[in-house]
Amino acid sequence: QVQLVESGGGVVQPGRSLKLSCAASGFTFSSYAMHWVRQAPGKGLEWLAVISYDGSRKYYADSVKGRFTISRDKSKNTLYLQMNSLGGEETAVYYCARETEALDYWGQGTLVTVSS
Amino acid sequence: EIVLTQSPGTLSLSPGERATLSCRASQSVSSNYLAWYQQKPGQAPRLLIYGASSRATGIPDRFSGSGSGTDFTLTISRLEPEDFAVYYCQQYGSSFTFGPGTEVDIK
Repeated sequence: QVQLVESGGGVVQPGRSLKLSCAASGFTFSSYAMHWVRQAPGKGLEWLAVISYDGSRKYYADSVKGRFTISRDKSKNTLYLQMNSLGGEETAVYYCARETEALDYWGQGTLVTVSS
Repeated sequence: EIVLTQSPGTLSLSPGERATLSCRASQSVSSNYLAWYQQKPGQAPRLLIYGASSRATGIPDRFSGSGSGTDFTLTISRLEPEDFAVYYCQQYGSSFTFGPGTEVDIK
């Protein structure tokens, strides 16, 4: 069955960096575009970034463009999100999701807390 | 950027009643690339509807989507206890954006 498992969350100081991972299994990872979406506590969903199935195209939300980098490693069936210059307002649960028609499978998320 | 507005913010209904949720886009959503998701507390979102009106795999037929252009609707024909949750619309025709959500709670 399709599984997406995020990791790498934790407490990070404002202005610092963090790299999230999303391990995929149960499907042919290299055939699907993948996304990152976040949700601040008690708030709605915010789309962050997408990477094409082969990694050749990447698109970002304006709020993270230039600071976040999405990437993938097909040999490890893993999606990544490198986050730099984190701000306090970026405390959230970060989800990875698979794209077919819309986002059909989601991981359970990893919590990132930006705090000094 | 396409901005999505959802109404109402909260919908208070009883089990067995019909729920009608609205999603309005600031400009036309190309090819009706509009999806609906359900989210329960502590859980990841779950895809319900894609392409404005197609049900995702395993979604009960009491959930239906309709609309085109800038106005879309999610209808739950008869609310079951497990349907009380927050519902988000998302457009994926021009980049990707989510609406702010509609909470369906028990009256």
